Amino acid sequence: SQTIHQWPATLVQPVGSPLSLECTVEGTSNPNLYWYRQAAGRGLQLLFYSVGIGQISSEVPQNLSASRPQDRQFILSSKKLLLSDSGFYLCAWAHPQRDHNEQFFGPGTRLTVL
Amino acid sequence: GENVEQHPSTLSVQEGDSAVIKCTYSDSASNYFPWYKQELGKRPQLIIDIRSNVGEKKDQRIAVTLNKTAKHFSLHITETQPEDSAVYFCPRGNDYKLSFGAGTTVTVRA
Repeated sequence: SQTIHQWPATLVQPVGSPLSLECTVEGTSNPNLYWYRQAAGRGLQLLFYSVGIGQISSEVPQNLSASRPQDRQFILSSKKLLLSDSGFYLCAWAHPQRDHNEQFFGPGTRLTVL
Repeated sequence: GENVEQHPSTLSVQEGDSAVIKCTYSDSASNYFPWYKQELGKRPQLIIDIRSNVGEKKDQRIAVTLNKTAKHFSLHITETQPEDSAVYFCPRGNDYKLSFGAGTTVTVRA
């Protein structure tokens, strides 16, 4: 069976500090991978998605970046955090090459920027 | 991408009553209609979905109905229970990505 891991679960960072969130998937190959952000009481905003190693699509301009160094590893980074980067960050995966895939979400990272 | 329009934005129901959430879409070529549930502080999870060749699908107390003429699909929850309190999303999109929108916050009153 497939599982998705995210860490850390919670993070408190000062403004201007760097960020690195990691997501890994087990039990599947070549998954589609996604990073979402959810502000308090709001919907899910798609930040990045990837359909293969080294391939990243960005949905919104911001001070975040994503990388996929391995098939089942997806990393979200920032060089300098802003207050507005606070939120609940969710990684998700989906089966590749299927018509309209269910997305499976990780447990999330709650980031607070002070 | 396709816009998500979901109504209402909040819904409060008495335990045991029914809840209905409607989602409208604009792309006539849409053929997949999922509903996700997100409990407070938890991850979203798919609870039911339907394809365009089916008009209704049921799974215990939840059902999804599709009206292709009016371009909307609805989530029905019967005999609501406290554990149904959550945010419900009807994401729209294509094979690779989904737009989730703000969702509907459902509160079941005891």
